[in-house]
This record gives sequence, structure tokens and C-alpha cells, in this order.
Amino acid sequence: GAVVSQHPSWVICKSGTSVKIECRSLDFQATTMFWYRQFPKQSLMLMATSNEGSKATYEQGVEKDKFLINHASLTLSTLTVTSAHPEDSSFYICSGEQGKGQPQHFGDGTRLSIL
Amino acid sequence: AQKITQTQPGMFVQEKEAVTLDCTYDTSDQSYGLFWYKQPSSGEMIFLIYQGSYDEQNATEGRYSLNFQKARKSANLVISASQLGDSAMYFCAMSQTSGSRLTFGEGTQLTVNP
Repeated sequence: GAVVSQHPSWVICKSGTSVKIECRSLDFQATTMFWYRQFPKQSLMLMATSNEGSKATYEQGVEKDKFLINHASLTLSTLTVTSAHPEDSSFYICSGEQGKGQPQHFGDGTRLSIL
Repeated sequence: AQKITQTQPGMFVQEKEAVTLDCTYDTSDQSYGLFWYKQPSSGEMIFLIYQGSYDEQNATEGRYSLNFQKARKSANLVISASQLGDSAMYFCAMSQTSGSRLTFGEGTQLTVNP
């Protein structure tokens, strides 16, 4: 089956630090990857759609300058949380799709804690 | 706009029994896909089952089946012979067939009791 690897699993860092999260499709090419954010006991909220070789499409209310997305290859997308603050603490999870309308395959997520 | 509604915040079931998790949806699209994902406490999202809007038969994957009632706009997940490892959060989601953006419901926390 399609495998998506997300790294790191856990990040604890000081306020003001920038944090990079990687999302890799291991056995398929993902022209499109998605980044979600999930608060405790809540559903997944789509932050942005990442397309290989082009700019990401951000959802309304998501600050593109704070959440930088790069999709440099068909197997790698990165999310950088710039100058992170405690309110950015959350569970971030990525997914990749093999084709339009096909199930998205998710990484294991990253728990980000900003002190 | 698409919307997914899961009206059961929590469900309990005895081990080995069947359980139905409800999902209703709202869309003006003619072509769409419906998905169920399982999220254990560890956080990963596990794809369970998919139903296309034009599929005439209900989807089945092992112990999972999707009770698709298009006229009622419902896509309930049925888990047969529940196991302790089925305890998790379950999310219903939909997308347009021509696109990829997933809309998730609020989820149902399933607890399987021994």
C-alpha cells in the first residue's frame, strides 16, 4: 500500500524558533500533498494544498507567511512553522494522493509543542 | 460547499458485536467520493474504506462495510465482530471526484468493551 512518512514525530522547542516538518511519499509519486492541523478532540482542518513545482494554495485564515510550504519534488513536501509561538502548538499531519479522487494516504503526524 | 455530519460524538460496543457509525453529507456535486478513516490515540490516520457516488454496490473491506444510501445522503460505516483494537476515533470524509480536497466530519470516538 501507499506509504507516507512524516518527520519528526515530536517537536518541543522554545517560542520564536522555526520548525520544519517533512512529508515524504515512499512508494508513490504525489503531485499533490495536503497539510492539516488538528487540535485535541477536534477534526482535521485543512491548512493548505501543496502542488509539486508550484505555489501552495492556502485555506482561508491560514497565514502563508507563517506556514511556509515547499513541494520541491514528487515525493517531498515540507511545512515550516516560522517564529513559532505557544498558540501554534498542535498536531500537524500531511497526506499525499496517488490520483484525483483516490484515497489520501496520511503520514503519522507531528506533535508540535512550543514552550 | 460540502459538509459532513457525524452526530455520534461517542459510541460503545461490546467485543464481537457489530456497530454502525453514522455519517450524513451535503453536496451539490453529482460526482463525489466518500471515505472513512480511523485515528487511534497515537494519531495516525488509517484509510478504511471508499465509496464512489456512482458505485451501485456498497463497498466492503474485510470487517468494514459502508451502508451507502444516496437518496438519504448517508454513508454509515458498519464494523462487524468488533475487536478491542477497533477502539479509536473514526472520521467520515468526502471529496469531489474531480478534485482532491477532503472535507471531514467531527468524528466519532468508538470504545470497544471486553
